[in-house]
Amino acid sequence: EAQVTQNPRYLITVTGKKLTVTCSQNMNHEYMSWYRQDPGLGLRQIYYSMNVEVTDKGDVPEGYKVSRKEKRNFPLILESPSPNQTSLYFCASRLNPTDTQYFGPGTRLTVL
Amino acid sequence: LAKTTQPISMDSYEGQEVNITCSHNNIATNDYITWYQQFPSQGPRFIIQGYKTKVTNEVASLFIPADRKSSTLSLPRVSLSDTAVYYCLVGDIRDDKIIFGKGTRLHILP
Repeated sequence: EAQVTQNPRYLITVTGKKLTVTCSQNMNHEYMSWYRQDPGLGLRQIYYSMNVEVTDKGDVPEGYKVSRKEKRNFPLILESPSPNQTSLYFCASRLNPTDTQYFGPGTRLTVL
Repeated sequence: LAKTTQPISMDSYEGQEVNITCSHNNIATNDYITWYQQFPSQGPRFIIQGYKTKVTNEVASLFIPADRKSSTLSLPRVSLSDTAVYYCLVGDIRDDKIIFGKGTRLHILP
């Protein structure tokens, strides 16, 4: 089944403790993105990647890092999480810019 | 990047046709218009995409006037399960930088 998976689905952590949210897609998609969703603000793009080893900043990249060492994986790294990064995070992928974006199930992160 | 403006919320009744309009005054030549649907605690789901004129699929139609500064998503004969948030996106086909607006919260009443 074609899908985007994220892990973990839920995470509660404390300020400053490094964490990684994994994202994997099995559709051989070139393009992958990370978004955060906050009440009243809709979805905001954090980072995106157009291919292996090619990443770029979205609208709200501060406090996040990403890597794209393999086509299928696009982890989101929070080196020193802060409470303002408490949010619902979505990973998405698509084959090309005019293709449908497929979203993962979301990761609800709480930083205390 | 073209930003989008949509109504914050809309109500309608089962069986009605619903039209949600999105304004994107600064749309660029290479931008496509895409609509997504999102249910609570789920990722957005693609509905329809277009560049100009009219596009129709099994779930919706998308109307884009000649100047492309707005677009209208049309949902025929809505049901309660169409209650969701609908996002209009305008994206450059040359890269993957995308801006989601705040979406339109559609509430379907029985």
